[in-house]
Amino acid sequence: RKEVEQDPGPFNVPEGATVAFNCTYSNSASQSFFWYRQDCRKEPKLLMSVYSSGNEDGRFTAQLNRASQYISLLIRDSKLSDSATYLCVVNGGYSTLTFGKGTMLLVSP
Amino acid sequence: DVKVTQSSRYLVKRTGEKVFLECVQDMDHENMFWYRQDPGLGLRLIYFSYDVKMKEKGDIPEGYSVSREKKERFSLILESASTNQTSMYLCASSSGAGNTEAFFGQGTRLTVV
Repeated sequence: RKEVEQDPGPFNVPEGATVAFNCTYSNSASQSFFWYRQDCRKEPKLLMSVYSSGNEDGRFTAQLNRASQYISLLIRDSKLSDSATYLCVVNGGYSTLTFGKGTMLLVSP
Repeated sequence: DVKVTQSSRYLVKRTGEKVFLECVQDMDHENMFWYRQDPGLGLRLIYFSYDVKMKEKGDIPEGYSVSREKKERFSLILESASTNQTSMYLCASSSGAGNTEAFFGQGTRLTVV
């Protein structure tokens, strides 16, 4: 069974903190990796793709370690609006995506 | 703006009823998916389609079927609804070979009583 594992949290952090989420995946043949964000009672939306060399988008940095089958997301200078569930996503066969169960982040004032 | 539209936000059905959940996308995407999301279980793939009239089983297809007669429309059918099918159902679409973003509909909260 191809799986994606995440710590469910919740991670409770103050505004301005740096927080990191980790994810492991079991399908060594996976080629595409993503982080999605899901707000309460809303649909998931793409936060960022994850590239082999690592990539950054503003306060967000994603890293991929293929050898360890490990993906990470780092959020710097957390904002209240970052409170959400973060889903680690890995592509499977036939263009499908396998989702982790998500990590909940709560940023407090 | 890209759009995936699900026909209902909330639905209440009786046990044994046949239920249709409709999804339409306006992005000319080849791939369409149906997921269900439950607390503690995350998103689980029910069925997907990579072309008109093509369908493939996902991880939990039992009790469901799908139809894709037109490229833009992907329907999920619960042949005989049961209480354990009470869930949030999410439709998604994507283009190409799996390394592209999937766009989700707003979800249908189905309650089977």
